[in-house]
Amino acid sequence: AQSVTQLGSHVSVSEGALVLLRCNYSSSVPPYLFWYVQYPNQGLQLLLKYTTGATLVKGINGFEAEFKKSETSFHLTKPSAHMSDAAEYFCAVSAGNTGKLIFGQGTTLQVKP
Amino acid sequence: DVKVTQSSRYLVKRTGEKVFLECVQDMDHENMFWYRQDPGLGLRLIYFSYDVKMKEKGDIPEGYSVSREKKERFSLILESASTNQTSMYLCASSHPSKGQETQYFGPGTRLLVL
Repeated sequence: AQSVTQLGSHVSVSEGALVLLRCNYSSSVPPYLFWYVQYPNQGLQLLLKYTTGATLVKGINGFEAEFKKSETSFHLTKPSAHMSDAAEYFCAVSAGNTGKLIFGQGTTLQVKP
Repeated sequence: DVKVTQSSRYLVKRTGEKVFLECVQDMDHENMFWYRQDPGLGLRLIYFSYDVKMKEKGDIPEGYSVSREKKERFSLILESASTNQTSMYLCASSHPSKGQETQYFGPGTRLLVL
């Protein structure tokens, strides 16, 4: 069975600081991993995903994530936070070949001026 | 651009009412999903559908049913709304790709049951 744990329900950074949002997963099969973002009053949109190949994945808006099998992690980073990055971020793992996703609890990112 | 639309952004209903939430996608996706989103719990899958007239229970189907009569439309039904069904409801769709597919989400319906 697959599961996802996001460490920290709220993360606060200053504008221009490094953003690090943590995600650990559990999967009995090679995982496909996703990060989604939800801006206020909107649905979720895909930031990036890891399927196979290069373990460092680049996404939209300057975000990237690294798949580390030995640590069962898929942490999301951005070198310099912008005010517009304030949102809720969800890590997810694919439930096998079913097309279903298992989501983490979400992390709210606050960016202070 | 993929577009997933939901019939209402905000909805207020009374306990015991029958509630219909509609979702339409315009990308001919086979897969469609209904989630509820609650603070601290992330997204939890209520029902999903792989094709017209097909449906499967997700993790929290109790108190809900669904209907998929046309490929582009997936409806969530609360047979008798209760206060514990107050939540944000999100619809999503995807094209099958052996687990690698991106899900595309609608804007959500915030339901308040009084």
